[in-house]
Amino acid sequence: SQTIHQWPATLVQPVGSPLSLECTVEGTSNPNLYWYRQAAGRGLQLLFYSVGIGQISSEVPQNLSASRPQDRQFILSSKKLLLSDSGFYLCAWIQIDSPYNEQFFGPGTRLTVL
Amino acid sequence: AQSVTQLDSQVPVFEEAPVELRCNYSSSVSVYLFWYVQYPNQGLQLLLKYLSGSTLVKGINGFEAEFNKSQTSFHLRKPSVHISDTAEYFCAVSEPGTGGFKTIFGAGTRLFVKA
Repeated sequence: SQTIHQWPATLVQPVGSPLSLECTVEGTSNPNLYWYRQAAGRGLQLLFYSVGIGQISSEVPQNLSASRPQDRQFILSSKKLLLSDSGFYLCAWIQIDSPYNEQFFGPGTRLTVL
Repeated sequence: AQSVTQLDSQVPVFEEAPVELRCNYSSSVSVYLFWYVQYPNQGLQLLLKYLSGSTLVKGINGFEAEFNKSQTSFHLRKPSVHISDTAEYFCAVSEPGTGGFKTIFGAGTRLFVKA
């Protein structure tokens, strides 16, 4: 069966520090991968998606970047964190040949920038 | 462009009472519709989905939703809630054939079940 992992689960970082969040998927190949941010009291905002290794699309201009160095690995990064980067970050995947667009989510990373 | 509106940000309800969480959407094309549940500090889990066919969709944990094309709604219902149903619920729409790139989520409805 397929599983999706995210780490770390929680992170507290000072403003101006770098960031690296990792997401890995097991049990599938060539998934579409997504990074979402969930701010307090708000819905999910799609940040990045990827259809393959090295292929990243950004949905909103921001302080963050994403990379996909391996088929089932998706990394969210920042060189200098801002206070506004605080939130709950969710990684998700879709089976590439799924006709139904059903997304499977990881457990999330809670980021607090102080 | 698609949009999703969840009409209630918070819904308090007593245990064993029925509940309805409302979702309206707008789209110029046919869409898939989803309800996800998020327990505190966890990711989202799929409750149910509407792709085509019968407009009444049954999901996990006793939830069901009804697709109403004329009212562009997809309301979530449960006849008798439990304390364990306390969570945030998200309605989402997705355009077929887009690989999920055009999945739009509502802002969420926080369900509080009181004893």
